[in-house]
Amino acid sequence: DAGVTQSPTHLIKTRGQHVTLRCSPISGHKSVSWYQQVLGQGPQFIFQYYEKEERGRGNFPDRFSARQFPNYSSELNVNALLLGDSALYLCASNNPGQGPFSGNTIYFGEGSWLTVV
Amino acid sequence: QKEVEQNSGPLSVPEGAIASLNCTYSDRGSQSFFWYRQYSGKSPELIMSIYSNGDKEDGRFTAQLNKASQYVSLLIRDSQPSDSATYLCAADSGGYQKVTFGTGTKLQVIP
Repeated sequence: DAGVTQSPTHLIKTRGQHVTLRCSPISGHKSVSWYQQVLGQGPQFIFQYYEKEERGRGNFPDRFSARQFPNYSSELNVNALLLGDSALYLCASNNPGQGPFSGNTIYFGEGSWLTVV
Repeated sequence: QKEVEQNSGPLSVPEGAIASLNCTYSDRGSQSFFWYRQYSGKSPELIMSIYSNGDKEDGRFTAQLNKASQYVSLLIRDSQPSDSATYLCAADSGGYQKVTFGTGTKLQVIP
């Protein structure tokens, strides 16, 4: 079975531009989360979507937005890019319906490396 | 602010030794804990999950949880150079899915 897939894997953008990152969850998983990982830090939670609804939002500015589609894939959008947005963006999926604990185990995709110049 | 704390390292151990990685968390409501391994330039890979107090073993890996002390650890027996990576500790912060990560501990296994 395919794992979490993300695209693009690498991209370079200029300050002020916007970017769209895409993610397909593991088959059968209905929840998608987005994380930002800056070099030397752990992943920071951005958004979580379940059944196409936003269920959680981290401490990120409104320039960051996301959505989930009927097939459970997801997009992360970042507007007005800043140099500080350069990071590895990770998509993770899980299936909360699996149970009170095991459903919270998240599996990451390979990530999208974003460089803002 | 719900936090997960780890020593950034690097932790250096000789090949064949036991590597001990530690983590503390601040949210007493956390119920699920995870260890991820991250090689340089790669995404995190799940190694272990633990939900109950005590030890959980999987091959060369043992996760330990002490909820009273808010402490999680990962032991790697017979460490190999291929174990050299950053190990991320994470705690489920509640809700559907909000997992909080530590900054990671860099492990170096010396041949």
